[in-house]
Amino acid sequence: GQSLEQPSEVTAVEGAIVQINCTYQTSGFYGLSWYQQHDGGAPTFLSYNGLDGLEETGRFSSFLSRSDSYGYLLLQELQMKDSASYFCAVGGENRDDKIIFGKGTRLHILP
Amino acid sequence: GAVVSQHPSRVICKSGTSVKIECRSLDFQATTMFWYRQFPKQSLMLMATSNEGSKATYEQGVEKDKFLINHASLTLSTLTVTSAHPEDSSFYICSAPTPGGTGELFFGEGSRLTVL
Repeated sequence: GQSLEQPSEVTAVEGAIVQINCTYQTSGFYGLSWYQQHDGGAPTFLSYNGLDGLEETGRFSSFLSRSDSYGYLLLQELQMKDSASYFCAVGGENRDDKIIFGKGTRLHILP
Repeated sequence: GAVVSQHPSRVICKSGTSVKIECRSLDFQATTMFWYRQFPKQSLMLMATSNEGSKATYEQGVEKDKFLINHASLTLSTLTVTSAHPEDSSFYICSAPTPGGTGELFFGEGSRLTVL
């Protein structure tokens, strides 16, 4: 089976940096993705790691260590609009394999 | 970029009726689509994988006779909630993998179902 663990809530201050960790257990592994979801909306894609290392996309970066079954999402220069839920997700060995989501981390940003 | 469109965005129905939700890939062909269900403040739970031209693959615990999935073309998958009950009220979201295999899922806008 597949399971993902991430913190349920994180609080940070506007302008700061926050890291959201994700550990996973899977029977096969294609890659680790991160999604953002605002209340009432659909998830939107943030980042993907298929190989070990750091991927940077603007203020957001994501890291993967396949040997440790661990990854994280790093958000820099936090803005109030970043208040949302963040989900890590893993896929199977092939591109069209099902993708399973973690329970999500609710990010609260204080002014 | 590629877009997935889902309709309707909101639907209210009476208990015992059936509701159909459509999911379309607008500018790419999707041989596979995923249907998720999300309760308030919870995660996205995979219900089934919709495969064009073949039967859907349902996750354990999901009733295939209650949640009918049809993927008749490369751009359309439908989810029909049959004989809906109040406990079926939820946010249903479809998604499709990007054609380029970048690990990204394109999500539809979601459909909020309320069963009275």
